[in-house]
Amino acid sequence: SQTIHQWPATLVQPVGSPLSLECTVEGTSNPNLYWYRQAAGRGLQLLFYSVGIGQISSEVPQNLSASRPQDRQFILSSKKLLLSDSGFYLCAWSDSKLRMDEKLFFGSGTQLSVL
Amino acid sequence: GEDVEQSLFLSVREGDSSVINCTYTDSSSTYLYWYKQEPGAGLQLLTYIFSNMDMKQDQRLTVLLNKKDKHLSLRIADTQTGDSAIYFCAETPYGGSQGNLIFGKGTKLSVKP
Repeated sequence: SQTIHQWPATLVQPVGSPLSLECTVEGTSNPNLYWYRQAAGRGLQLLFYSVGIGQISSEVPQNLSASRPQDRQFILSSKKLLLSDSGFYLCAWSDSKLRMDEKLFFGSGTQLSVL
Repeated sequence: GEDVEQSLFLSVREGDSSVINCTYTDSSSTYLYWYKQEPGAGLQLLTYIFSNMDMKQDQRLTVLLNKKDKHLSLRIADTQTGDSAIYFCAETPYGGSQGNLIFGKGTKLSVKP
């Protein structure tokens, strides 16, 4: 069966520090991978998605970047965190073959607090 | 553009039925989903319905789809305290770009004993 791992679960970082959140998927190959941010009262915002190694699409301009160095690994990064980067970050995957059916499977999330 | 709307809060008593409502704007949506998020956790896919269906039942969950009114609802029968969570409605617009799953802001369900 497929599983998705996301870490760390919580993170407290000072403004201006770098960020690296990691997500890995097991039990499937060539998944679509996603990074979402959930800010209080604002629902889910799609940040990045990837359909393959090295292929990253950004949905919103921001202080963050994403990379996919391996088929089942997705990394969210920042060189210098801002206060506004605080939020709950969720990694997700979907079966890339199901083009019309985007059932997403989420990781357990990372609560990031930038102080 | 596409939009998904939900009421933000719902409070029910244990044992009652809960009905969470959602409206969407894209009439060409193919699949519609309900996700559940427990406190401090990721989203869990609860159920989904294809747009050519008007009802789907799965144990205590019933999904109703009114395509004419672009209205989706999730009914939870015999609501339990463990059902307390945030419920997200989401849609996949036909022809949308990859990864373009549109989420509502979520309805927080509180179940009182």
